[in-house]
Amino acid sequence: GESVGLHLPTLSVQEGDNSIINCAYSNSASDYFIWYKQESGKGPQFIIDIRSNMDKRQGQRVTVLLNKTVKHLSLQIAATQPGDSAVYFCAENMWGSQGNLIFGKGTKLSVKP
Amino acid sequence: DAEITQSPRHKITETGRQVTLACHQTWNHNNMFWYRQDLGHGLRLIHYSYGVQDTNKGEVSDGYSVSRSNTEDLPLTLESAASSQTSVYFCASSESLPPREAFFGQGTRLTVV
Repeated sequence: GESVGLHLPTLSVQEGDNSIINCAYSNSASDYFIWYKQESGKGPQFIIDIRSNMDKRQGQRVTVLLNKTVKHLSLQIAATQPGDSAVYFCAENMWGSQGNLIFGKGTKLSVKP
Repeated sequence: DAEITQSPRHKITETGRQVTLACHQTWNHNNMFWYRQDLGHGLRLIHYSYGVQDTNKGEVSDGYSVSRSNTEDLPLTLESAASSQTSVYFCASSESLPPREAFFGQGTRLTVV
């Protein structure tokens, strides 16, 4: 399958612990942000999104925090499970650019049983 | 179930040859996208389409072309393959813009020798 895990920042956590994956975005005009999960050999999969008029959004076991002051985005995963092991990407969309998502380089999450 | 499929999954071609990568989706989405994924760069947008007969250039469109003759397909053509185009290619489709919850294909690993 397709793999992109080499040479990426890696976060290693114990099963059951909470994980925090960070992302710095580049453009203060970005108004929409998405987190994707990519498992080995698969395409990216949508996790959660947030608009720039919000600073927090919660999903099932995941929370995204947005700090526009420092252009920082984080993904928090509660009670991390082995199935959460993957590469996580943040992506930003600039207002008016429609489909042009700009992806970060990714963080590899490894969950130790 | 609706899906998005890419073919071939793996391709080796020679420098200078024309190559076409297929993308077919049964979601009936108007919006389709092609990305390439390289180590250290995340995913970068090549071309995208908002509907039949509509195509747009993305961040890294040089050397690539697409055509949209129906809703289901967005083939990506490398006019004259170069070694710099060795990469993993992902096709995606989405109902909305920005591409919230975009569905990605499994990817095509292309090697240009």
